Amino acid sequence: EDQVTQSPEALRLQEGESSSLNCSYTVSGLRGLFWYRQDPGKGPEFLFTLYSAGEEKEKERLKATLTKKESFLHITAPKPEDSATYLCAVPRANMLTFGGGTRLMVKP
Amino acid sequence: DTEVTQTPKHLVMGMTNKKSLKCEQHMGHRAMYWYKQKAKKPPELMFVYSYEKLSINESVPSRFSPECPNSSLLNLHLHALQPEDSALYLCASSQSLTSGSEQYFGPGTRLTVT
Repeated sequence: EDQVTQSPEALRLQEGESSSLNCSYTVSGLRGLFWYRQDPGKGPEFLFTLYSAGEEKEKERLKATLTKKESFLHITAPKPEDSATYLCAVPRANMLTFGGGTRLMVKP
Repeated sequence: DTEVTQTPKHLVMGMTNKKSLKCEQHMGHRAMYWYKQKAKKPPELMFVYSYEKLSINESVPSRFSPECPNSSLLNLHLHALQPEDSALYLCASSQSLTSGSEQYFGPGTRLTVT
């Protein structure tokens, strides 16, 4: 059965303190891995799609990478406005299997 | 433009009421989705429409009734809901049902059942 696991569940950082979020997956025939950002009470905002091991994508302070077993979302010098829940998801049989999410809090 | 809109933003309804949630996208996407999300949990898939036809129903109770009037619109009709149905309801769309097709979400409707 396909599984997607995110760690840590919650992460508190000081402003400027870089870190990484992890998304581990066990799927047969990966056809992409998505990262989303979700603010409280709002819908997930699409960030990145990664399709193959070794691929990297960047957007402002965020960089997503992919290996054969996991994906990392690196946050460089985060700001308080980066506080949100970050979700990863993999497509499976026309649906998305989501990880449990990582709640990121960045304090000034 | 990657915008999916949903109305209303908030909805409070009694257990005997009938109400509808609406979703619209103008990206030319041919797949549309309804998700339910409880606090501190990831979204859970409810229904999938592909080319205006119901493709997937994830064993959702019949008090939730989806409708896809055209390729841009998706409705979710609600009747005789229970308090445990209170949640954030999210609509999403993608180019197609092809695996790897990115899904774009709307802002959601916060539903409270009293």
